[in-house]
Amino acid sequence: DAGVTQSPTHLIKTRGQQVTLRCSPKSGHDTVSWYQQALGQGPQFIFQYYEEEERQRGNFPDRFSGHQFPNYSSELNVNALLLGDSALYLCASSLTGQGADTQYFGPGTRLTVL
Amino acid sequence: AQSVAQPEDQVNVAEGNPLTVKCTYSVSGNPYLFWYVQYPNRGLQFLLKYITGDNLVKGSYGFEAEFNKSQTSFHLKKPSALVSDSALYFCAVSVPRNFNKFYFGSGTKLNVKP
Repeated sequence: DAGVTQSPTHLIKTRGQQVTLRCSPKSGHDTVSWYQQALGQGPQFIFQYYEEEERQRGNFPDRFSGHQFPNYSSELNVNALLLGDSALYLCASSLTGQGADTQYFGPGTRLTVL
Repeated sequence: AQSVAQPEDQVNVAEGNPLTVKCTYSVSGNPYLFWYVQYPNRGLQFLLKYITGDNLVKGSYGFEAEFNKSQTSFHLKKPSALVSDSALYFCAVSVPRNFNKFYFGSGTKLNVKP
């Protein structure tokens, strides 16, 4: 049973560039959430996708956008990169409608902005 | 506003001794509570969760957690620590009917010494 997968593992960009991160959820899951984990901090919720729609959003600017595909995989896009966007980006999948939906996390994408 | 506090940045314990990692929360409504563990350069691994019922929850790798509603706490415990338990531990809370948006604490680094 494949768990949550993310690509790429590492990424280096320069300020002002745009980046796309990808996530495939755990088999059977239909919901994908994205988190940003800065060094030494806990994960911060960016947004969540269900049925190809963004249904919940955290306190992140519009430079952060996403998409969910019919196969439930998801992308996170960040435009106009800032140095402060350097972080580990975590994708988590879950199954909506199962009570307390445990979120299962992927290994993350380490983004470095120079 | 929902929040999670992990008052200890680091916990040191000798192998074979019991360990406790503390977590307190502040939410409106009844919370769902989770513990995750993160090893270096890895994503978060689910340990256990509390939804309702028995205040003592058992999880993976011999870990357990005790829910205390009056103290709004959800401390992680293990009767006998192993060196391999050394990692970063995160407490998280979600609120029912909030589409499973997770709020994480800042993390506690557990060091288990031989």
